[in-house]
Amino acid sequence: GAGVSQSPRYKVAKRGQDVALRCDPISGHVSLFWYQQALGQGPEFLTYFQNEAQLDKSGLPSDRFFAERPEGSVSTLKIQRTQQEDSAVYLCASSRRPSGAYYEQYFGPGTRLTVT
Amino acid sequence: QKEVEQDPGPLSVPEGAIVSLNCTYSNSAFQYFMWYRQYSRKGPELLMYTYSSGNKEDGRFTAQVDKSSKYISLFIRDSQPSDSATYLCAMGNTGNQFYFGTGTSLTVIP
Repeated sequence: GAGVSQSPRYKVAKRGQDVALRCDPISGHVSLFWYQQALGQGPEFLTYFQNEAQLDKSGLPSDRFFAERPEGSVSTLKIQRTQQEDSAVYLCASSRRPSGAYYEQYFGPGTRLTVT
Repeated sequence: QKEVEQDPGPLSVPEGAIVSLNCTYSNSAFQYFMWYRQYSRKGPELLMYTYSSGNKEDGRFTAQVDKSSKYISLFIRDSQPSDSATYLCAMGNTGNQFYFGTGTSLTVIP
């Protein structure tokens, strides 16, 4: 595939459940970003990886949110003990450039998480 | 106060009209300015990128940045029904974070 893919596309979780969201970036892309997009809002930065190193996690809203990219390609965003306010679309983006060149980010379609 | 303000619309125009989309911002350190298009249930797609002040044109799209007024615009000429989408502005400085507006929903009526 040529683009960024994300799975699942839709996830419904009961409050208190743990969820894992997967991102497959474009092959060879160095940088990977996670964003949270609430309904009617623009995306908000969560975290950034350069290869396998998580260089910026300042946007993660709480310690219930955890992201990893162990081999520098696929990334997983995990949310523990989900709350209703976690309901949003989670977007992944990748870039072939390292940090600072965010204008070349390519976004995936997102995972729509609904917490009931 | 939000870093970036964008009128959410919705905006509805007839086919062929010129569309003007705008954002204002508060952080004078922002140097990079981008416009994204987002179709329903899809991720944002980069349309235009501008560094610092000035204009940039790409086909039917023109991006303008006025740093003195902290104001950016996207103009779409000869609008088409396929332009119907949400348009997001985004901006930032060095580093990994940049800030999105809330998006303006545009409908072009045939």
